[in-house]
Amino acid sequence: GENVEQHPSTLSVQEGDSAVIKCTYSDSASNYFPWYKQELGKRPQLIIDIRSNVGEKKDQRIAVTLNKTAKHFSLHITETQPEDSAVYFCAASFMEYGNKLVFGAGTILRVKS
Amino acid sequence: ETGVTQTPRHLVMGMTNKKSLKCEQHLGHNAMYWYKQSAKKPLELMFVYSLEERVENNSVPSRFSPECPNSSHLFLHLHTLQPEDSALYLCASSQDYGTGTYNEQFFGPGTRLTVL
Repeated sequence: GENVEQHPSTLSVQEGDSAVIKCTYSDSASNYFPWYKQELGKRPQLIIDIRSNVGEKKDQRIAVTLNKTAKHFSLHITETQPEDSAVYFCAASFMEYGNKLVFGAGTILRVKS
Repeated sequence: ETGVTQTPRHLVMGMTNKKSLKCEQHLGHNAMYWYKQSAKKPLELMFVYSLEERVENNSVPSRFSPECPNSSHLFLHLHTLQPEDSALYLCASSQDYGTGTYNEQFFGPGTRLTVL
């Protein structure tokens, strides 16, 4: 079955440094990879996504890279700020199963000021 | 209210109680989802409804019973739960399901459930 592994489970960085979170997926048919941010006590919200026909996507300080051959994708946050502190979830989906998302276990990011 | 709403936000129940969780989406979406979020575990998909028909049931115990009376409302009926069912239950919606094009899922704030 589908499986998504996410590392690290916790990550502490100094304000202004970069943070990288990595995910691997098991099903080579997966073709859509969203990243969600969940602040404490709040709902998960989509922050960036990438489709399998693209290798990299950027949106201001965040970027996602995808390596289809190795079946892994990563979230990169540059110039981290305290408000980036949250839990980040990666997910994988493939169209044969409609919108079904398989999530990673999440990464707790702490940005120290 | 806009987006996806859930009530109640917090619920404490005994193992013999019957309760229901409610989700409402104001986005005009056709698909709705129930997820379970437990500490240090991935979000687990429980049920998917598309145009009020259940299209996914991920081996969820029968003590959880979903209901989708229309495309804007989704319920999760709870009966004789176990302490290990304590978790955050999230509802989500998307424009469509299974159309060959991925649609973003929008989440509600969740219901924090504690089973004593």
